[in-house]
Amino acid sequence: GAVVSQHPSRVICKSGTSVKIECRSLDFQATTMFWYRQFPKQSLMLMATSNEGSKATYEQGVEKDKFLINHASLTLSTLTVTSAHPEDSSFYICSARDLGTSGGQKSYNEQFFGPGTRLTVL
Amino acid sequence: AQRVTQPEKLLSVFKGAPVELKCNYSYSGSPELFWYVQYSRQRLQLLLRHISRESIKGFTADLNKGETSFHLKKPFAQEEDSAMYYCALSPNASGGSYIPTFGRGTSLIVHP
Repeated sequence: GAVVSQHPSRVICKSGTSVKIECRSLDFQATTMFWYRQFPKQSLMLMATSNEGSKATYEQGVEKDKFLINHASLTLSTLTVTSAHPEDSSFYICSARDLGTSGGQKSYNEQFFGPGTRLTVL
Repeated sequence: AQRVTQPEKLLSVFKGAPVELKCNYSYSGSPELFWYVQYSRQRLQLLLRHISRESIKGFTADLNKGETSFHLKKPFAQEEDSAMYYCALSPNASGGSYIPTFGRGTSLIVHP
């Protein structure tokens, strides 16, 4: 099946620094990728939708200038947390959409998730 | 606006007992519904989708358009079923971008 990787899996940084997280679709092309934030034992919070070759679409309440998203190719999207603060510490998860075709027709819109990145800001 | 509601944050059962994780949705069109599962220390993964009408690991889910529900069921729970379960909705668009919606998740704990 389709595989999505994330790098790094864990990062610890000082307050005020920037951190870049990469999300790659390894064996399929993803025109759309999603970035989520997950708090302990809580649901996924969609942060933004990343579209290849265009600007990301951010959810309400998510600061565009703080969470920079770049989707430069069909297999790579990056999330950069700029000027990180302790409250940005969280588990960040990306997913890539696979339209899934069968006989040339779209059969489903399954998402494949990365393993997540644990960000800790000191 | 689309919405997915999972009313139970936590569901605790004993091994061998039946399980039903509830999911209700609201969407004006004809959506695609999914159940995703996240086992401890593992990534989210698809469990099943309503289009395929399949049974995975003994779980089934039927889309009830009248009740706008997509409850996940298993007749006999196993300890290895303990995990976080998310119900998700995707607009049945013909193409282009779309925004999926996830429920808040239900933590299922199966006791021995």
